Amino acid sequence: AQSVTQLGSHVSVSEGALVLLRCNYSSSVPPYLFWYVQYPNQGLQLLLKYTSAATLVKGINGFEAEFKKSETSFHLTKPSAHMSDAAEYFCAVSEIGYTNAGKSTFGDGTTLTVKP
Amino acid sequence: DGGITQSPKYLFRKEGQNVTLSCEQNLNHDAMYWYRQDPGQGLRLIYYSQIVNDFQKGDIAEGYSVSREKKESFPLTVTSAQKNPTAFYLCASSSYGSYNEQFFGPGTRLTVL
Repeated sequence: AQSVTQLGSHVSVSEGALVLLRCNYSSSVPPYLFWYVQYPNQGLQLLLKYTSAATLVKGINGFEAEFKKSETSFHLTKPSAHMSDAAEYFCAVSEIGYTNAGKSTFGDGTTLTVKP
Repeated sequence: DGGITQSPKYLFRKEGQNVTLSCEQNLNHDAMYWYRQDPGQGLRLIYYSQIVNDFQKGDIAEGYSVSREKKESFPLTVTSAQKNPTAFYLCASSSYGSYNEQFFGPGTRLTVL
């Protein structure tokens, strides 16, 4: 079974400050991990993904995440927050079969607020 | 442009009525998914389909039904048996070999009065 825990349902930072959103996962097989972003009343959009290549993954809009197997973590960071980063962020873990697309388990989400 | 469309964006129904939410994709993806989103609860999987004419229950399938007669279409029916149907519904798709990277539609907000 797979699961995801996002620590902190709400995170608030000042514009220009470091963004750190935390995600811990549990998976019985090597995981594939994702971060998605959701703006109000919209669908989710992929930010970045880890698929067992490089442990430091770079995504869109200046975000990156580091896979740490020993800590079962996949935290999302951005060096300098922008007002447009205000949104809800979801961490997800997927397990795939050999003959199908599999399915994902999502965390409960973290709402990021950016203060001017 | 390839993508997923959901219609309508907003839907209002009276209690006790069945309602069907549309989801269409032109990405040629094999798998499709329906999620329900409530504030503070993330995304919960309702049903998913890996192939045409086959689908599996997710974590909260009670009160919902689906069909997958065509690869590009995966409609969701919210039945009168669903006790609390007011929510935001998201449809997604993914392809084999993509590690289950999911592409999402814009969502349908259903309000039952």
